[in-house]
Amino acid sequence: KAGVTQTPRYLIKTRGQQVTLSCSPISGHRSVSWYQQTPGQGLQFLFEYFSETQRNKGNFPGRFSGRQFSNSRSEMNVSTLELGDSALYLCASSLGQGYAYNEQFFGPGTRLTVL
Amino acid sequence: AQSVTQLGSHVSVSEGALVLLRCNYSSSVPPYLFWYVQYPNQGLQLLLKYTSAATLVKGINGFEAEFKKSETSFHLTKPSAHMSDAAEYFCAVSDQGNNRLAFGKGNQVVVIP
Repeated sequence: KAGVTQTPRYLIKTRGQQVTLSCSPISGHRSVSWYQQTPGQGLQFLFEYFSETQRNKGNFPGRFSGRQFSNSRSEMNVSTLELGDSALYLCASSLGQGYAYNEQFFGPGTRLTVL
Repeated sequence: AQSVTQLGSHVSVSEGALVLLRCNYSSSVPPYLFWYVQYPNQGLQLLLKYTSAATLVKGINGFEAEFKKSETSFHLTKPSAHMSDAAEYFCAVSDQGNNRLAFGKGNQVVVIP
């Protein structure tokens, strides 16, 4: 089975621009979560989508948004980029069924650099 | 809200020596607890998890962890360090039935030959 894929792997943008990152979950997985990893703040939860609905949201400004498509692929968008948005953005997928434990599998991440 | 504390951002261990990484959690409800490993330029890989079954959990690559409710701890150990264990290790917690993970700051493990 193919793992979680994220595109692009590397991205360079300038302040004020917007960016869209993509995540393709493992086949059959319906839950996709996004995390931001920075040296200063560590790993922080952004949001989770399940069956095209946002199920959980972290403490990030409204410039960070996401969506999920019917094939479970997910995108996250960051508008009006700031220097502090430079980070590794990780996507994780899981079965997401009910309330039983489902292991989350992480993708390799997208490295975003804001200049 | 759940949280975890990992002390000592950098941990040096000699090859063949015990690896011990400490994790203390704070949770208002019975938690799920995890240890993840991250190698350079890669995502996170699950080492092991506690989901309210056995308190001593064995994971991949010879790692294990023990859930101690009285101490609110979930320390990670490996009896004998190998050069390939050099990586960053993260402890994480979630509520049961919730995919939202709260991570510790991580431990960068350096293995000295």
